[in-house]
Amino acid sequence: EIMLTQSPGTLSLSPGERGTLSCRASQSVSRFLAWYQQKPGQAPRLLIYGASSRTTGIPDRFSGSGSGTDFTLTISRLEPEDFAVYYCQQYGNSLPLTFGGGTKVEIK
Amino acid sequence: EVQLVESGGDLVQPGGSLRVSCSASGFMFSKYAINWVRQAPGKGLEHVSSITNDGHSTYYADSVKGRFTISRDNSKNTVYLQMSSLSAEDTAVYYCVKAGGWNYYYYSMDVWGQGTTVSVSS
Repeated sequence: EIMLTQSPGTLSLSPGERGTLSCRASQSVSRFLAWYQQKPGQAPRLLIYGASSRTTGIPDRFSGSGSGTDFTLTISRLEPEDFAVYYCQQYGNSLPLTFGGGTKVEIK
Repeated sequence: EVQLVESGGDLVQPGGSLRVSCSASGFMFSKYAINWVRQAPGKGLEHVSSITNDGHSTYYADSVKGRFTISRDNSKNTVYLQMSSLSAEDTAVYYCVKAGGWNYYYYSMDVWGQGTTVSVSS
C-alpha cells in the first residue's frame, strides 16, 4: 500500500496570500496523483489530476506540480471560498487508491 | 449534468446488513468504473471498493473484504454496495465516485455523489 503524507496538517493564511500544500508518496506514483477539495458538509471535488492538469471549471489560481514521490498544490491568491480541506490521492496500479490525511487551509 | 445519487444509508445494529445504491445520470454509465469511498466522522477518505465498467473486475479494501460486495446493473445505471457483518468501524458517509475511465486505477475520481450515511450502533 502506498502511503501519502500531506504537510502541513493545518495552514493558517489570510485571503490574498499564497498557499503551498505538500504531498509525499512512500514510493513512486509517476504522475498518477490527484488533488481534491472538501468543504464542510460537502463531498470532495476533483481539482487537479495527472499531478498538474486542472479539471474543467477550476480557477487558474490552483496549480499542481511534481512527479514520482513529491507533489505540490499551490493556491496563488487565496479567495474566501478556498478555505477548506485538501486531499491528495494516488491512482496508479497500486491498490488501494490511497488518500493523504489532508491539509486544512484555515483563515488566519 | 453528470450526477451520482446515493441512497439506502441507515442506522443498523452491529452484525447487521445493508445495501446502498448509487444511481447515475448525465453520462454513458457503461463506459466508466465506479468507486465507493467512505469517510468516518471527522476523519479522512478511505477507498472501500471499486468495479470496472463491465463489472468483470472488482476491488475491496482489506477492511471490508469478505463482508462487502459491489455490483452494477448497466441497464439501470446503478451500482450497489451490499454490506454485511457491520461493525461500528463501518460508520461513515459512503460516497459513490465515478472514475475517469473504464478501470479504477490509472483514472482519477472525477465526479462524486453527495454521500449516504451508514451508522452502526445498538
